[in-house]
Amino acid sequence: DAGVTQSPTHLIKTRGQQVTLRCSPKSGHDTVSWYQQALGQGPQFIFQYYEEEERQRGNFPDRFSGHQFPNYSSELNVNALLLGDSALYLCASSPGTGELFFGEGSRLTVL
Amino acid sequence: AQTVTQSQPEMSVQEAETVTLSCTYDTSESDYYLFWYKQPPSRQMILVIRQEAYKQQNATENRFSVNFQKAAKSFSLKISDSQLGDAAMYFCAYRSGGGGSNYKLTFGKGTLLTVNP
Repeated sequence: DAGVTQSPTHLIKTRGQQVTLRCSPKSGHDTVSWYQQALGQGPQFIFQYYEEEERQRGNFPDRFSGHQFPNYSSELNVNALLLGDSALYLCASSPGTGELFFGEGSRLTVL
Repeated sequence: AQTVTQSQPEMSVQEAETVTLSCTYDTSESDYYLFWYKQPPSRQMILVIRQEAYKQQNATENRFSVNFQKAAKSFSLKISDSQLGDAAMYFCAYRSGGGGSNYKLTFGKGTLLTVNP
């Protein structure tokens, strides 16, 4: 049984560009959450998707948007990248119990 | 808003010894959950242990146990018989209760645990 998978694992972008990160939840999980983890910090909640809708959102600007597909996979999009967006982006899925299972993350570097 | 504070940026322990990691939190809610996550260099966050606020009994998972002091808003993690594989960053996290639709975790800044052979 595959766990939460994220792609790409690493990527480099320049300021002003746009990026899309992808997440496939663990089998049987219908809820996906995204977190941003800056270097040396704990993860910060970006948003959560369930039934293809954004259900909760953290304190992130509208440049951060997402999508959930009918197969429960999800994308995180970030527009107009800033240097401060450099971070590890973690995806977590849940079967509806509130317990989160994390992927290994996508490391984004903005130059 | 809830906050989670981990006051120990780094800790070290000798293999086979016991170490305690500290965590305090601030909330006005009565229904919530607390977690300890481990993040090794592989970057994947792994759940170590969880505690429901309504349970008075401290959670235990093999060599890992917590000391949950609700009135003091303290939630420490004790690792007994430390092993080299325990070396990682440890995060304390808080989640509000109120049903199964809330998945927002609030994390502390983490404690880097080193295990010396």
